[in-house]
Amino acid sequence: AQKVTQAQTEISVVEKEDVTLDCVYETRDTTYYLFWYKQPPSGELVFLIRRNSFDEQNEISGRYSWNFQKSTSSFNFTITASQVVDSAVYFCALPTSGTYKYIFGTGTRLKVLA
Amino acid sequence: EAGVAQSPRYKIIEKRQSVAFWCNPISGHATLYWYQQILGQGPKLLIQFQNNGVVDDSQLPKDRFSAERLKGVDSTLKIQPAKLEDSAVYLCASSLAGLIYEQYFGPGTRLTVT
Repeated sequence: AQKVTQAQTEISVVEKEDVTLDCVYETRDTTYYLFWYKQPPSGELVFLIRRNSFDEQNEISGRYSWNFQKSTSSFNFTITASQVVDSAVYFCALPTSGTYKYIFGTGTRLKVLA
Repeated sequence: EAGVAQSPRYKIIEKRQSVAFWCNPISGHATLYWYQQILGQGPKLLIQFQNNGVVDDSQLPKDRFSAERLKGVDSTLKIQPAKLEDSAVYLCASSLAGLIYEQYFGPGTRLTVT
């Protein structure tokens, strides 16, 4: 089955703390892509990153970093030195080849407190 | 570059009435998606267009929902007749070509069915 699991429903941290959002996936595809999106309180989903299954190198973009591990089927997202503006719901997503499905996880709501 | 446009932003209707949503994707994006996002859940893909053809509509409740993208650019999603459980945010997104590319989302239409 093709599936995305975000087990953390809600996380609260104090500003400047680091936080990691977990994403575990299941897929039958040998080649696949994984995505992270952010949905701030305004509601508009914003693309953050796309990762190809061939590339397991960690990705860093400013305060954001992503750890992709095929061995554990995980694609985790870390925010370093969190800020109040990071407060949002974060979704992990997995498109499936052949069936043209795009599966979103249930999301993790991150609250960063000042 | 203009983003994905959607209208209306909000709509309140009574059950059994009909409603239509409009979406204009980013210029040059071949693929257009309609999602339904129920409060507290991840987006659920309803239909995917590649240019003006339907790629997948397996999760579209075809007895009441319909969608079209006649000229391969903007699209409309219609619900007729609406049910209480259709209350949700309807998101439109576009991507360059297909599921492996990042999607750009519009602000969504919040539908309330009373």
